Amino acid sequence: NAGVTQTPKFQVLKTGQSMTLQCAQDMNHNSMYWYRQDPGMGLRLIYYSASEGTTDKGEVPNGYNVSRLNKREFSLRLESAAPSQTSVYFCASSEHALGLLNEQFFGPGTRLTVL
Amino acid sequence: GNSVTQMEGPVTLSEEAFLTINCTYTATGYPSLFWYVQYPGEGLQLLLKATKADDKGSNKGFEATYRKETTSFHLEKGSVQVSDSAVYFCALTPRGGATNKLIFGTGTLLAVQP
Repeated sequence: NAGVTQTPKFQVLKTGQSMTLQCAQDMNHNSMYWYRQDPGMGLRLIYYSASEGTTDKGEVPNGYNVSRLNKREFSLRLESAAPSQTSVYFCASSEHALGLLNEQFFGPGTRLTVL
Repeated sequence: GNSVTQMEGPVTLSEEAFLTINCTYTATGYPSLFWYVQYPGEGLQLLLKATKADDKGSNKGFEATYRKETTSFHLEKGSVQVSDSAVYFCALTPRGGATNKLIFGTGTLLAVQP
C-alpha cells in the first residue's frame, strides 16, 4: 500500500497563476483533509471532506477550493495564486471523521512557492 | 477556544541524553491528545496518543502522560538517538466536535548530535 500520495512534490508559480494539488489514498478511508504548514505556525486545516460527496471549510479556506473526486481522491485548487500561499501543503486521510482514536495519515507534502 | 502551546526549539541534545518537550493545551471538555513526528522531507506520522486523564501514550521509547490538572502532555524519552532528529508536534482533537479536527502546536525541532 502506498498510503497517501501527493503530486507534485514541488511547484513554483507566478502571482495570479492557477494550479491543482492532487491527493490520493489507497486505505479505503472515508475522510480526507488538506493542511498548510508555515514556519512558526504549525499545521492549519484548509478544507476537509468527512465523506465522499461532502466538503467543509477549515480554519484558513480563503483563496482555495477543493473537490472530492471520488472516495480515493481529494484535490486542492488555487484559482489565482498569491505570495501568501507560499507554503508546504499536506493531505491526510482517516477512516472516519468522527471518533476518539481516529488516526490521520499524512502524505509527503507539496512545497509551493508563489513569486 | 482550543489551542496547543509547545516549547520553542530548536532543542539540541547529545546522543543518549534525556529528552523533554513541553506541551500544554487549552480546550473545552476533555480532548484527545497526540504527538506527531515529522522526519526531514517527510509527512507527519502519529507517534503516540492519549484519550483521557492519566492515560500514558508510548511508542519507540517515547512517553507522554495526559495531565488534566496541569493541562499538559509533555513528551519524554530516556535516551535519544541521532535517528530521533525530527520536528515534533503536539496536537489535540476537541471532544464532541463535528469532525476529527486536529489542532496543532507550532512544532519543536529536535537535533541529536553523535
